[in-house]
Amino acid sequence: AQTVTQSQPEMSVQEAETVTLSCTYDTSESDYYLFWYKQPPSRQMILVIRQEAYKQQNATENRFSVNFQKAAKSFSLKISDSQLGDAAMYFCAWRDDKIIFGKGTRLHILP
Amino acid sequence: DAGVIQSPRHEVTEMGQEVTLRCKPISGHNSLFWYRQTMMRGLELLIYFNNNVPIDDSGMPEDRFSAKMPNASFSTLKIQPSEPRDSAVYFCASGTRGVYEQYFGPGTRLTVT
Repeated sequence: AQTVTQSQPEMSVQEAETVTLSCTYDTSESDYYLFWYKQPPSRQMILVIRQEAYKQQNATENRFSVNFQKAAKSFSLKISDSQLGDAAMYFCAWRDDKIIFGKGTRLHILP
Repeated sequence: DAGVIQSPRHEVTEMGQEVTLRCKPISGHNSLFWYRQTMMRGLELLIYFNNNVPIDDSGMPEDRFSAKMPNASFSTLKIQPSEPRDSAVYFCASGTRGVYEQYFGPGTRLTVT
């Protein structure tokens, strides 16, 4: 069965610093998609970044980037120049036909 | 684009009552997903549809839960009878299989007393 594991329930980072959120997954599939979603206190689920498994190049969206290690089944999210608005719950997700979400990492930004 | 629309945003009901949650997906999307989120269990997929057809309902917790998608622009999730342990935030999401990411609605916070 496919699983997604986020080993860090909570993390804190100083404003303007860089933080990396970890995610590992387990699948026997070779073609799939990986995502990071952000859920702020408003509870709206917002797509942060997407990675196609067949692409070797790591995805980047402004201050957000991923480190995708397919062989290790690892998909971490790096947030550069952290801002107060980045405070949220972050979910890693894997998708073949349906999406499997991790349990989430709550990120605190310290002013 | 209005995004995924869910109604109501908040629902408070008494145990034993029927609850119906509604979702309007983004126009042109052919996949629709219902999720439940609680502190204890996180985000759980309940059921999803492709082209209005239920594909996987293995996440539906009990027969008290049912979901329908009569057309491409509307879906309902019904709980009958409701119980206090059904209290959660219920999300609807839509997407297209070719693109793969899902777009979530704002959620319905359900409280069953």
